[in-house]
Amino acid sequence: AQSVTQLDSQVPVFEEAPVELRCNYSSSVSVYLFWYVQYPNQGLQLLLKYLSGSTLVESINGFEAEFNKSQTSFHLRKPSVHISDTAEYFCAVTSDSNYQLIWGAGTKLIIKP
Amino acid sequence: DGGITQSPKYLFRKEGQNVTLSCEQNLNHDAMYWYRQDPGQGLRLIYYSQIVNDFQKGDIAEGYSVSREKKESFPLTVTSAQKNPTAFYLCASSLTGRNEQFFGPGTRLTVL
Repeated sequence: AQSVTQLDSQVPVFEEAPVELRCNYSSSVSVYLFWYVQYPNQGLQLLLKYLSGSTLVESINGFEAEFNKSQTSFHLRKPSVHISDTAEYFCAVTSDSNYQLIWGAGTKLIIKP
Repeated sequence: DGGITQSPKYLFRKEGQNVTLSCEQNLNHDAMYWYRQDPGQGLRLIYYSQIVNDFQKGDIAEGYSVSREKKESFPLTVTSAQKNPTAFYLCASSLTGRNEQFFGPGTRLTVL
């Protein structure tokens, strides 16, 4: 069965510093990978996705993630965070053999001024 | 505007009462989902539906029921059999089961 591991439940980082949120998945088949962001008391919003093609995908607000098949990872990065990036971030995976998204437990990004 | 609406945003109920949470989408999506979110536990799938008049149990379906009579609507009933119903409930939809999911704003249910 597929699974998704987000290794850090919380990541504190200073404003304007770089950040990496880690996501690893277990699957032996072709996968589709997603990062979602959830601001307090709101629903989830799609941040970026990998379906095929270039292994580096970018969002409109400066985040990027790289699909690494050999390491089964899809880490999320941003070179310089802003206070408005404070949120919880969820990694999810699905595949051609699965009709559901498998979710990680989430990582809270805490921006320190 | 296309999107998913959930109502109400906050809901309070007495213990032992059934309560129905609304979820409507105008995205013309075939698949719809209900998740429960508790602090520190991420998202847990309650029920999902890939087509009208058909739905499947997710990981934590006990104490919940759903219906899918229309493509646009997927209401969730939290029954009195649900032992710990206080949580944040999220509805989502997708074009098919393999596509990204779009989420509603959520309903926070508190059972007193």
